[in-house]
Amino acid sequence: DAGVTQSPTHLIKTRGQQVTLRCSPKSGHDTVSWYQQALGQGPQFIFQYYEEEERQRGNFPDRFSGHQFPNYSSELNVNALLLGDSALYLCASRGQGRIAGELFFGEGSRLTVL
Amino acid sequence: GESVGLHLPTLSVQEGDNSIINCAYSNSASDYFIWYKQESGKGPQFIIDIRSNMDKRQGQRVTVLLNKTVKHLSLQIAATQPGDSAVYFCAENIEIQGAQKLVFGQGTRLTINP
Repeated sequence: DAGVTQSPTHLIKTRGQQVTLRCSPKSGHDTVSWYQQALGQGPQFIFQYYEEEERQRGNFPDRFSGHQFPNYSSELNVNALLLGDSALYLCASRGQGRIAGELFFGEGSRLTVL
Repeated sequence: GESVGLHLPTLSVQEGDNSIINCAYSNSASDYFIWYKQESGKGPQFIIDIRSNMDKRQGQRVTVLLNKTVKHLSLQIAATQPGDSAVYFCAENIEIQGAQKLVFGQGTRLTINP
């Protein structure tokens, strides 16, 4: 049973560019959340997707957008990259009927903006 | 407001000893907390959760204590092993209209000395 998978694992972009990160949730999970984790910090909530709709959003600008597909996989898009967007981006999934606070995280996509 | 914090950024214990990791929160209305473990190069992993109607909850080698009076929770790990070396995060689960987000603290790095 594959867990949460994310791609790419590492990438380097320059300021002003755009990036797309991808996530496949754990088998049987239908809810996907994205978190940003700066070095030495705890993860910060970006948004959550369920039934292909954004259900809740954290304090992130509109440059951060997402999508969920019918197979429950998800993408995170960041436009007009800034140096401060350099971080580990984590995808987490959850299934119905599971422990509410038990999210399954992927290993993340590490983005470096130069 | 939404805020969880950690008392110490690092903790070092001898293998076999017990460890205690502390966390404070600010919102007296907070009612659901979770502890996550993040090993190097991996995403956070669920350890244990506790709701505000409980003072204590036990798992395998772990115990979480919640003191609502002083808005403090702790994670106790018994008989620590090398595999317990990781960063530990407390998180508050916030649910709004069925959508959920976790608010993480900054984390405590636990090092187990042989």
